[in-house]
Amino acid sequence: GAVVSQHPSRVICKSGTSVKIECRSLDFQATTMFWYRQFPKKSLMLMATSNEGSKATYEQGVEKDKFLINHASLTLSTLTVTSAHPEDSSFYICSASSQGATDTQYFGPGTRLTVL
Amino acid sequence: AQSVTQLGSHVSVSEGALVLLRCNYSSSVPPYLFWYVQYPNQGLQLLLKYTSAATLVKGINGFEAEFKKSETSFHLTKPSAHMSDAAEYFCAVRLFGNEKLTFGTGTRLTIIP
Repeated sequence: GAVVSQHPSRVICKSGTSVKIECRSLDFQATTMFWYRQFPKKSLMLMATSNEGSKATYEQGVEKDKFLINHASLTLSTLTVTSAHPEDSSFYICSASSQGATDTQYFGPGTRLTVL
Repeated sequence: AQSVTQLGSHVSVSEGALVLLRCNYSSSVPPYLFWYVQYPNQGLQLLLKYTSAATLVKGINGFEAEFKKSETSFHLTKPSAHMSDAAEYFCAVRLFGNEKLTFGTGTRLTIIP
């Protein structure tokens, strides 16, 4: 149980284009989903927290207009990187929790974004 | 605010030897503590968690961790290392009633054949 998937696993795009990453909870309803960014050989940095049907809460320093988060259902959240630039290249990981945000977070396998 | 410190960004142990990965936390209130493992190019997998019940927590793959309030520590151990244990390990802390996980900087575990 508690499986979270992400799609795509890898994506390469040109500078200036937008990329959408999907995060799905496969066997539970995720009332809260989290989006993290991980730089090479570094820890995870929380970007934003989203609750189903509500606007995402962004961490300080994260551009909400650049990183659009939608949590339209209890099993799906999307992260759209708009007008991507090479500095947006990173490993993006989502996590999901049920029974409220204070429950254990289960992580997806991550998406490697490369912006050329 | 809460934080975690993982001592040793790289740890190498021989196959069959004891694994000890260190984690110290800072928290103004009793925390929830977690250990996650990350294999290359993959997401994080929960190894174990402490949520104020038993101080010795057993997890998957033979790992366990002990919560020691007096030392503000939550070190991860495994009696006998296996080659498949080679990975990055993250300690994380969350406060009761707070949704945010704060991660340590990670420890890369290498197993020597």
